Amino acid sequence: DIVMTQSPSSLAVSAGETVTINCKSSQSLLSSGNQKNYLAWYQQKPGQSPKLLIYLASTRESGVPDRFIGSGSGTDFTLTISSVQAEDLADYYCQQHYSYPLTFGSGTKLEIK
Amino acid sequence: QVQLKESGPGLVQPSETLSLTCTVSGFSLTSNSVHWVRQPPGKGLEWMGIIRSGGSTDYNSALKSRLSISRDTSKSQVFLKMNSLQTEDTAIYYCTGRLDYWGQGVMVTVSS
Repeated sequence: DIVMTQSPSSLAVSAGETVTINCKSSQSLLSSGNQKNYLAWYQQKPGQSPKLLIYLASTRESGVPDRFIGSGSGTDFTLTISSVQAEDLADYYCQQHYSYPLTFGSGTKLEIK
Repeated sequence: QVQLKESGPGLVQPSETLSLTCTVSGFSLTSNSVHWVRQPPGKGLEWMGIIRSGGSTDYNSALKSRLSISRDTSKSQVFLKMNSLQTEDTAIYYCTGRLDYWGQGVMVTVSS
């Protein structure tokens, strides 16, 4: 199974700041066939179901604000949230969708100061 | 619009079998996959398994000996069955269509 290691486990920032969340996979998520990275990011607000933000490492789901940016390739990935807003208070998870069984990172709790 | 709704017992006795149903609307089970994901209280997400559009399945390695996912396409329903439940199986159980449509989740407590 592919192990996903996510960091930090929590962080607190002020509104307007930029946040970076890291995710590392135990093996490459890059498909040699199509050169796509099979990594997704989810947002889970308190008391809500998870929401898909980004898939294929950098493709935003429809309706996701462009301040959410996914990047990275191979085994190292980043979710950057620029100009954080109060509504971004949530837990964020990475997930590999390269091979089964699918696996999630342990999550990052984002708090707004 | 696409909707998924989980249903099942809120309380299960240890060692018994959990049976959950995911009822979908606006979403074809013969064209799309459905996953089950669970989340213990205060903890992270755990992928449990998938039933694909063609009916094939894959499971979490740690759960595959206890877990079964099936469906009834005529009723637009997907089923999860997991046996030998223990207290650590207490969690919110979500069904999700293609991982981009999510149900509200159902809380299952394993306790005597």
